[in-house]
Amino acid sequence: DAGVIQSPRHEVTEMGQEVTLRCKPISGHDYLFWYRQTMMRGLELLIYFNNNVPIDDSGMPEDRFSAKMPNASFSTLKIQPSEPRDSAVYFCASSPTVGADTQYFGPGTRLTVL
Amino acid sequence: KQEVTQIPAALSVPEGENLVLNCSFTDSAIYNLQWFRQDPGKGLTSLLLIQSSQREQTSGRLNASLDKSSGRSTLYIAASQPGDSATYLCAVGVGAGGTSYGKLTFGQGTILTVHP
Repeated sequence: DAGVIQSPRHEVTEMGQEVTLRCKPISGHDYLFWYRQTMMRGLELLIYFNNNVPIDDSGMPEDRFSAKMPNASFSTLKIQPSEPRDSAVYFCASSPTVGADTQYFGPGTRLTVL
Repeated sequence: KQEVTQIPAALSVPEGENLVLNCSFTDSAIYNLQWFRQDPGKGLTSLLLIQSSQREQTSGRLNASLDKSSGRSTLYIAASQPGDSATYLCAVGVGAGGTSYGKLTFGQGTILTVHP
């Protein structure tokens, strides 16, 4: 298996633009997680899905952020409009279960908002 | 709110030394605890997963212990090598009644450098 795939790996955009990050989880994994990593706040869980259904989105910072999982093999995290403080590395992770299994992380998308 | 603290923030050791990384958490009602490794510019790789009912887990030169009542975990690395240089992150999983809520709370990490 190729592991968790994220695209793009790097994104540079200007303030106010819409940004879409993409994730393909490992096949057969029922859980998908979106995280954000910054120097100041470390690694934070934004939202996670079980069988394509959002379970907990309490970590989503504000209405500018939205996430979807239209099918078991694809998820998006969208920021509209983007702001400089959104600059961070965004990770997607997947897991076959929660609790009993670890989460498998993708390589991340480094977002820079100018 | 669960808070996870890792000490030290950075550690530099000569090759061959045994070392201990520390993790503490404020709420002992955890479901599990995991140690991850993160290399620069890369994602996280799971090293060890300890369920709340377990006291320790071992994998090769790595040994992780868990003391839930005191809110502490340690990661022991034996005979360190330059290839062990990375950031090590501790994460606690939330849950109750035998069910995991699926949420991980991460510490800020310990940056380890092992020099030849």
